[in-house]
Amino acid sequence: DAGVIQSPRHEVTEMGQEVTLRCKPISGHNSLFWYRQTMMRGLELLIYFNNNVPIDDSGMPEDRFSAKMPNASFSTLKIQPSEPRDSAVYFCASRTGQDNSGNTIYFGEGSWLTVV
Amino acid sequence: SQQGEEDPQALSIQEGENATMNCSYKTSINNLQWYRQNSGRGLVHLILIRSNEREKHSGRLRVTLDTSKKSSSLLITASRAADTASYFCATTGTASKLTFGTGTRLQVTL
Repeated sequence: DAGVIQSPRHEVTEMGQEVTLRCKPISGHNSLFWYRQTMMRGLELLIYFNNNVPIDDSGMPEDRFSAKMPNASFSTLKIQPSEPRDSAVYFCASRTGQDNSGNTIYFGEGSWLTVV
Repeated sequence: SQQGEEDPQALSIQEGENATMNCSYKTSINNLQWYRQNSGRGLVHLILIRSNEREKHSGRLRVTLDTSKKSSSLLITASRAADTASYFCATTGTASKLTFGTGTRLQVTL
């Protein structure tokens, strides 16, 4: 099992540029989560999908952020335009099941974004 | 927003000692999980305890849950240098999403 795969692992971009983060969940998992981690705010849930459908995007900071899941094996998180305060580690995670049974969530290694 | 608050924020102990971390949360939960994060890496699931359970063990890990106090503790016995990491509690309530606490940074020295 390859685990949750994220790309890029590291990205440095200039303010105003578009950033696209990619995620491949574990095969067979039907829930996918995007988290953001910063020193100041800790781990924040941005959005999660069940069966490719966005369920809760209340954590998306603003309209500059968007996420898609066109199929069960791929998701993107896009920031346009990027700002320095978007600098953070962005984690993708996936899980089987869509209820609150507590099935283990598996995290990717994160995408380290720096906006200068 | 954060659901859980870990205490202490940072803990430094010597190898062989036990490490205890506490987590408090605000709303009713279905289960509580503990995760570990090594520096520069993703989070790894350690253990899950359901709301109708009071204690659970896994190897050197012992987790307790007190729903009346809305708190949980993670005990790592006979700590090792390799246990150095940040530890997070995470709760699942009526919704499917997992909400994380602020984390405890554990440093185990030789």
